[in-house]
Order: sequence, then C-alpha cells, then structure tokens
Amino acid sequence: AQSVAQPEDQVNVAEGNPLTVKCTYSVSGNPYLFWYVQYPNRGLQFLLKYITGDNLVKGSYGFEAEFNKSQTSFHLKKPSALVSDSALYFCAVRDGGGADGLTFGKGTHLIIQP
Amino acid sequence: DSGVTQTPKHLITATGQRVTLRCSPRSGDLSVYWYQQSLDQGLQFLIQYYNGEERAKGNILERFSAQQFPDLHSELNLSSLELGDSALYFCASSGTGTGPGELFFGEGSRLTVL
Repeated sequence: AQSVAQPEDQVNVAEGNPLTVKCTYSVSGNPYLFWYVQYPNRGLQFLLKYITGDNLVKGSYGFEAEFNKSQTSFHLKKPSALVSDSALYFCAVRDGGGADGLTFGKGTHLIIQP
Repeated sequence: DSGVTQTPKHLITATGQRVTLRCSPRSGDLSVYWYQQSLDQGLQFLIQYYNGEERAKGNILERFSAQQFPDLHSELNLSSLELGDSALYFCASSGTGTGPGELFFGEGSRLTVL
C-alpha cells in the first residue's frame, strides 16, 4: 500500500521569505510524486511532478520540489513567497508500476502574511 | 478552467435519500476518477473508470456506485445517505495527452446531508 504524510497542518510564512511544505511518502515500487494546490471553493490544480531524472523539479508559479530517495521525501519549495500563494497544498504519490489512482496526503494550509 | 464539468455544484438532501453526481471529463480523456474530500478524512480516492470499465477501487462504500457511459461521462450514485456522507465530491480526468498522474479536477459537488 502507498501512503503520504504531510506533517504540518499549517505553515505560516512572511511575504518575500522562502517557503517549504514538507511531504514524505511510502510506496513499494518506484515513486511517482506530485504536488497539487487547492484554492478556496475550487478543484485541485496540478503544480509539478517527479517521475524520473533530476531530483529538483520545477513547476508552475515558481514552485519547485526536491526528491530525496534516501529520506523518502518530496518537499515543496519557493524562494520568495507571495500572498497569492496562500492555499491548501496536497502531496500525492502513486506506484510507478501500479494502478493510476493517486494517494493524497491530508494537505497543508499555507498562509503567507503580508 | 480544467475542462472537467461537475453537476450539481451544491446539493442538500436528507438522510436515507439517494443522489446522483455527474461528471463530464475533458474532451478526449478516457479515465475518470472520483474522490471524496471531508475535513476529517482528507481527500479519499473512491473509484476509477477507464473507457467504460472499472479500473481501480479505493475506499468506496457499498452504498455508493459509479459508472462511465459510452460518451465517457460518469455518474456517482450515493444511496441510503448518512450524515457522515456530507462532503465535497471531486471528479478528475486524465488521458493519453497528459503525463502519468496528472489529473484535471472539476470544481466539485458539495453534498450536505441533513
């Protein structure tokens, strides 16, 4: 079985500061890892993914994520936070050799303070 | 706009009743996924259909059922509703034009059971 842990329910960052949203995963095969963002009253939007290759993945809106196999982590990062980045962020995993469905973490509320 | 359409956006009903949620995937997408989002359970995968056939099953209750029709739209049927079924139900789709795990989510159907 695959699983995702997002250890922080909420992360508070001042505008302009770097941000990190943490994610660790468990999967039996090769991990496919994803970050999605949800704005209030909206569906989830794809941000970025790691399938293979470079451990540092760049995505939409200036976000990036670093895959660390030894620590089974896939933390989401951004060098300089914007107030508009405030949203609910979900990490997700699927087994590369398994079924298509994604397993999501419980989500982390990111709050960027002006 | 993700291209995935869900109806209705809001639904209020009573315990014991039955409702049907509808999803139209992005044009050309063969896979449809259903997810349930609640405050206590987070985002839970319910079921996936691919080109009319059930492909994967998650934490879907026996009171719930789904199907995908020849025109690729999907319906999620929820019966004998309980208070705990109150949640946001998302449909997502993916297809051959997207990378593995890149799901496009609709804006959800919010179900309130009174």
